[in-house]
Amino acid sequence: NAGVTQTPKFQVLKTGQSMTLQCAQDMNHNSMYWYRQDPGMGLRLIYYSASEGTTDKGEVPNGYNVSRLNKREFSLRLESAAPSQTSVYFCASSETETQYFGPGTRLLVL
Amino acid sequence: KQEVTQIPAALSVPEGENLVLNCSFTDSAIYNLQWFRQDPGKGLTSLLLIQSSQREQTSGRLNASLDKSSGRSTLYIAASQPGDSATYLCAVKSWYSSASKIIFGSGTRLSIRP
Repeated sequence: NAGVTQTPKFQVLKTGQSMTLQCAQDMNHNSMYWYRQDPGMGLRLIYYSASEGTTDKGEVPNGYNVSRLNKREFSLRLESAAPSQTSVYFCASSETETQYFGPGTRLLVL
Repeated sequence: KQEVTQIPAALSVPEGENLVLNCSFTDSAIYNLQWFRQDPGKGLTSLLLIQSSQREQTSGRLNASLDKSSGRSTLYIAASQPGDSATYLCAVKSWYSSASKIIFGSGTRLSIRP
């Protein structure tokens, strides 16, 4: 039982490049989330998916797109990376009120 | 708009001491409040969840309290150990937010000195 897994663990991009962050959970949870965490700030919700086939914007969705591929997988795409998107990205899943987090992806945009 | 604040940003105490971490929120119309632990370079782990109808929750050496009227929650850690060193974040879910949006504080980085 791996819980929530994220790939890659670390990525360096140049401004304007695109990439997709992958997230998968094996707990059969309906809800999945993408957060970003910046120094001195709490986590901020980018997008979430309440169930397979649905997605909704969070607090900071600009510059990102998401895909809920199936119940297990929820991906986050940066179409044209900007230095302001340098951050640590966390994926989480939940069935009830408790969210379970992945280990994070550290993204550096130069 | 709900805002969640955690002060201080960092705290260092000697091993064995009892300590209290603080969390304040601006809107008392909360649905629940959670405390999380984050180890360096890792994701978050949920420690305690308090529903709006509850005053406190306990798990082992941890006790979390909630006072909606004053907009405060505290996390009490008894007999602190070096293994308790981590960043502790609180997060609030409000009644008026959509199903699964919660607002996080920026965390308190706790260091327990042996």
